[in-house]
Amino acid sequence: EDQVTQSPEALRLQEGESSSLNCSYTVSGLRGLFWYRQDPGKGPEFLFTLYSAGEEKEKERLKATLTKKESFLHITAPKPEDSATYLCAVQAFHSGGGADGLTFGKGTHLIIQP
Amino acid sequence: KAGVTQTPRYLIKTRGQQVTLSCSPISGHRSVSWYQQTPGQGLQFLFEYFSETQRNKGNFPGRFSGRQFSNSRSEMNVSTLELGDSALYLCASSLVGSGSGTDTQYFGPGTRLTVL
Repeated sequence: EDQVTQSPEALRLQEGESSSLNCSYTVSGLRGLFWYRQDPGKGPEFLFTLYSAGEEKEKERLKATLTKKESFLHITAPKPEDSATYLCAVQAFHSGGGADGLTFGKGTHLIIQP
Repeated sequence: KAGVTQTPRYLIKTRGQQVTLSCSPISGHRSVSWYQQTPGQGLQFLFEYFSETQRNKGNFPGRFSGRQFSNSRSEMNVSTLELGDSALYLCASSLVGSGSGTDTQYFGPGTRLTVL
């Protein structure tokens, strides 16, 4: 069974204080790892897709990296508007071909204080 | 380009009733997936539809069902509602879904269902 564990569950940072969020996963065959951001009362907003170990992607203050067992979301000099819940999800190859639905972690609730 | 839309945004039902939720995918997207989000279990995959056919299914009871129309719009139905069905139901669309390649899923705002 595919599993995704995110840590920490919650993180409070001062504005400008950089940090990293962790996503550990076990999957039979990784097709892709996804990062989403979710604001209260809204649906998840897509951030990144990573496909293979060693891959990195960046967008503004965010950088996502991937190894064979985990992914990190690095946040550099965050601002209050970066406050949100960050969700990690994996998609595995389907036994009958194609891919399974996304398996999500419980998320990291990030608060950036001004 | 308009995003994924879901209607209604909020619903209140009582135990034993049934409910139908609707999802319109991004224009040109042919795959629609449904997820349930609760504080305790997080986001869980319900099912995926592509070309009017269910292609993948999560681990939910048969009370949860869905369908997709020829214009890619999708509906999900929950029959004989239970208190534990109270959740945010999210729809996500992608170009071709799980069939080929790894396809990004874009989520709608969700329908908040409360079962009393």
